[in-house]
Amino acid sequence: NAGVMQNPRHLVRRRGQEARLRCSPMKGHSHVYWYRQLPEEGLKFMVYLQKENIIDESGMPKERFSAEFPKEGPSILRIQQVVRGDSAAYFCASSPTGQANTGELFFGEGSRLTVL
Amino acid sequence: DQQVKQNSPSLSVQEGRISILNCDYTNSMFDYFLWYKKYPAEGPTFLISISSIKDKNEDGRFTVFLNKSAKHLSLHIVPSQPGDSAVYFCAASAIRGSNYKLTFGKGTLLTVNP
Repeated sequence: NAGVMQNPRHLVRRRGQEARLRCSPMKGHSHVYWYRQLPEEGLKFMVYLQKENIIDESGMPKERFSAEFPKEGPSILRIQQVVRGDSAAYFCASSPTGQANTGELFFGEGSRLTVL
Repeated sequence: DQQVKQNSPSLSVQEGRISILNCDYTNSMFDYFLWYKKYPAEGPTFLISISSIKDKNEDGRFTVFLNKSAKHLSLHIVPSQPGDSAVYFCAASAIRGSNYKLTFGKGTLLTVNP
């Protein structure tokens, strides 16, 4: 399967714990994006990364959230000290270039975080 | 501040008939529009797009119409098939500037009845 791979698909955490979501982009793609979908909402842009670089994190909450895309390995979205409001579906997408508006934005199946 | 609005949460049509999904936007900087389709427990998949220099783009059973003066676009599916049942998201971006950033609507759940 050469698609965007996300894991875990489902993650349950208690308030105050840490959540780590991983994303491996499609083969040949070096641009990764994270989107969040809260219940009854559309997807909202969080962050855009290239290998070892954060290009735009304007959609990330200022505290507790961080993202990385190391030279080797998957991109990781990290949420520290989770709260109930963090419960959402987190989607990773990748593209071969940095132009999502060409339509060449391929999404993974999402990671659903539930905070108890 | 919702810049892309899909005012119909759901739509139900009969197989073989036309499905029309609507989308409005407020940001005049948007100049590229996309439709994504999403099945339950899956990620969104790209369906069709249109640039603001056009008013229509067609791909098989799917046609997107853009009315820039009204800041409105619509997706037509004809004929509708049961396999089209999914959530459809309208998305927009600005080619100039942050063209990697998509702004999504809340989605419309389309149900096509056999």
